[in-house]
Amino acid sequence: DAGVTQSPTHLIKTRGQQVTLRCSPKSGHDTVSWYQQALGQGPQFIFQYYEEEERQRGNFPDRFSGHQFPNYSSELNVNALLLGDSALYLCASSHRTEQYFGPGTRLTVT
Amino acid sequence: AQSVTQPDIHITVSEGASLELRCNYSYGATPYLFWYVQSPGQGLQLLLKYFSGDTLVQGIKGFEAEFKRSQSSFNLRKPSVHWSDAAEYFCAVGGGNTGTASKLTFGTGTRLQVTL
Repeated sequence: DAGVTQSPTHLIKTRGQQVTLRCSPKSGHDTVSWYQQALGQGPQFIFQYYEEEERQRGNFPDRFSGHQFPNYSSELNVNALLLGDSALYLCASSHRTEQYFGPGTRLTVT
Repeated sequence: AQSVTQPDIHITVSEGASLELRCNYSYGATPYLFWYVQSPGQGLQLLLKYFSGDTLVQGIKGFEAEFKRSQSSFNLRKPSVHWSDAAEYFCAVGGGNTGTASKLTFGTGTRLQVTL
């Protein structure tokens, strides 16, 4: 079982650019959640996808959007990047109960 | 609104000593409670979870946690710490009304340092 995988591992973007992060859930999981973890902080919930629909959303602006595909994989898109978007972005997958996290994507905005 | 408080930002213990990390939560209904561990630059690994039933739950790596509803607490314990336990520990609360994994709210974490 490969577990939750995320790509890329690291990336560097410039303010104003757009970025897409990808997540493949653990086998058998149908729900994907995205979290943002700023340096020295706990993860903050961005949104959750189930059956290709956004089911829940945290307190993040519309610049943050996502998508879930029929195979349950997911993308997180961030438009008009700000310096404050620099963080570790974590994807978690689940089926009914606990969430399992991937290794994260480290985004640096310069 | 749900929230989690981890009062201790940084804890240092000697290898072989016992450990207790504190967690207090606020949630309007029956909570699902979790402890995760994060090594530097890594994702989160689930240590243990509480959904219902026995209030003392056992997890991986010799960790346990006790749910105390009257104190709104879910403290993590380990009887004998190993140097490899040095990491960041996060307590999290999630809703359990639908039986599904709703959003998790995390505390700010406790950094554990282990001295030899």
